[in-house]
Amino acid sequence: AQSVTQPDIHITVSEGASLELRCNYSYGATPYLFWYVQSPGQGLQLLLKYFSGDTLVQGIKGFEAEFKRSQSSFNLRKPSVHWSDAAEYFCAVGPAAGNKLTFGGGTRVLVKP
Amino acid sequence: DTAVSQTPKYLVTQMGNDKSIKCEQNLGHDTMYWYKQDSKKFLKIMFSYNNKELIINETVPNRFSPKSPDKAHLNLHINSLELGDSAVYFCASSQDIWAGRPSTNTEAFFGQGTRLTVV
Repeated sequence: AQSVTQPDIHITVSEGASLELRCNYSYGATPYLFWYVQSPGQGLQLLLKYFSGDTLVQGIKGFEAEFKRSQSSFNLRKPSVHWSDAAEYFCAVGPAAGNKLTFGGGTRVLVKP
Repeated sequence: DTAVSQTPKYLVTQMGNDKSIKCEQNLGHDTMYWYKQDSKKFLKIMFSYNNKELIINETVPNRFSPKSPDKAHLNLHINSLELGDSAVYFCASSQDIWAGRPSTNTEAFFGQGTRLTVV
């Protein structure tokens, strides 16, 4: 069965500092990995995805993520956070039958001025 | 134009009532689904439809009945609402159904969510 773990429930970071969000997954085959962001009161917006090829993927809003098969990880990074990056971030793996995505529990990012 | 749109955005109702949430996608996709996000922000798939046919039902109570009148719509009807149904419900769509290996055609596009509050 596939699963996703986001070890950090909350992360507080100062504006301008770097950010890294951890994601570990369990999947029986070659995974298709995603990071979504949910801003307060908003829907889910896709930040980036990994399907195959280069293990360092670039996304929107200056985010990037690195797929490490040996560590079953897909960590999200941003070199310099902006106050508008305060949101909930979800890592997901899939799909499986029915296009089911399995989501992690989310990491809430707070940005200090 | 919004790709995946849900209505209403907010819904407050009393226990025991019956309510519907509508979802429409204008992407020409064949697959649509509903996800539920509980109070702890945990997201879990409820239903998946492909070409108007039910593909998966993740042990959702019978009070929840999805209806797909055509490929562009997947509505969610909930009978006899309970306090525990309070959540954010997300509709999503993909071009194709998963066929045993990853494909960019199975990428999900999500709506903005419907916050349902049962009082």
